[in-house]
Amino acid sequence: DIVMTQSPDSLAVSLGERATINCKSSQSVLYSSNNKNYLAWYQQKPGQPPKLLIYWASTRESGVPDRFSGSGSGTDFTLTISSLQAEDVAVYHCHQYYSSPLTFGGGTKVEIK
Amino acid sequence: EVQLVESGGGLVQPGGSLRLSCEASGFTFSTYYIHWVRQAPGKGLVWVSRIKSDGSSTNYADSVKGRFTISRDNAMNTVYLQMNSLRAEDTAVYYCASFDFWSGYAVWGQGTTVTVSS
Repeated sequence: DIVMTQSPDSLAVSLGERATINCKSSQSVLYSSNNKNYLAWYQQKPGQPPKLLIYWASTRESGVPDRFSGSGSGTDFTLTISSLQAEDVAVYHCHQYYSSPLTFGGGTKVEIK
Repeated sequence: EVQLVESGGGLVQPGGSLRLSCEASGFTFSTYYIHWVRQAPGKGLVWVSRIKSDGSSTNYADSVKGRFTISRDNAMNTVYLQMNSLRAEDTAVYYCASFDFWSGYAVWGQGTTVTVSS
């Protein structure tokens, strides 16, 4: 199984400041035939299901604000919120869909400082 | 509106059974793999099971293999998760989600809560 490790477990950021979340996979999730990383990021607010933000490591889902960006390749990935807004308070999960069983990181809780 | 709606959760004693349902609307249900993902209280997301679009193939996490059975009725736009021999560690919110090979889980249901306790 591919193990997904997120860091930090939680972070507090001032409104308007940058938030950075890291995700490391135990093996590469880069599919060589199409050069795509099968890595997604989800946002989960309290009492709600996860919401897809980013797929293929860096492609924003339709309707997702451009302050959210994803980067990285192979085994190391980053989700960046460029200017934190109050509505961004949530838990963020990384997810590999490269191989079965599909696995998730442990989640990173983002709060306002 | 693209939607998945789960039902069937509840309180059950250890060793008991429940059947969860996941009803889809607003998209071509019969062309999508459907997965179940669970989240124990205060914990992360864990994949449980999946079923191919035509129902011809199923897969399970080791933790539920032999106890849970996934099935689907494309005429009813519904996927089921039959859960037998339930244990306390199966307590979680269970989400169904449609899987897209390009983007992962694009559509999630709101979840249904399963509590296994005496």
